[in-house]
Amino acid sequence: AQSVTQLDSQVPVFEEAPVELRCNYSSSVSVYLFWYVQYPNQGLQLLLKYLSGSTLVKGINGFEAEFNKSQTSFHLRKPSVHISDTAEYFCAVSESQGGSEKLVFGKGTKLTVNP
Amino acid sequence: DVKVTQSSRYLVKRTGEKVFLECVQDMDHENMFWYRQDPGLGLRLIYFSYDVKMKEKGDIPEGYSVSREKKERFSLILESASTNQTSMYLCASSRLGLTGHYGYTFGSGTRLTVV
Repeated sequence: AQSVTQLDSQVPVFEEAPVELRCNYSSSVSVYLFWYVQYPNQGLQLLLKYLSGSTLVKGINGFEAEFNKSQTSFHLRKPSVHISDTAEYFCAVSESQGGSEKLVFGKGTKLTVNP
Repeated sequence: DVKVTQSSRYLVKRTGEKVFLECVQDMDHENMFWYRQDPGLGLRLIYFSYDVKMKEKGDIPEGYSVSREKKERFSLILESASTNQTSMYLCASSRLGLTGHYGYTFGSGTRLTVV
């Protein structure tokens, strides 16, 4: 069975500082990986995904994530955050071949960007 | 773009009422999902459906039922609402066999308060 661990439930940072949101997964098979963002009182929207190829994936709003197979990690980074990045971020995993139709989500990380 | 529309953003219902949460998607997706989201618990799957009239229980189906009479519509039913069902409810959809490639598309959520 797959699982996803987001190591930090809350991450406070100052505006224009860099940020890294950590995600580790557990799976016995190859996986696809996703990051979703949820702004206050809204649904989740896709930020970026890793399917194959380059391990560095770029997404919307200047975010990027790096897939590390040996460490089973998919950490999300942004070099300089804005107030508007304040949101909750969810990491998710899916089996890459013949897998379940369901995504497995982490519990989320609340990013708060302070002025 | 796929759109997933949840009929209400905010609902307030009384204990014991029968509550219907509606979700409609417009891109012919086979899979539809209902999650509830609570602080610190992340997203928990209530029910999902991969075809008309088909449904499968998720992790927390107790107190809920679902209906899928048409491909585009997936309804979540609280037979007798209780205060512990106060939560944010999220609907999502995906293409059968392609969840891993494209992930889910989410609706904007319905924040239900049971008083």
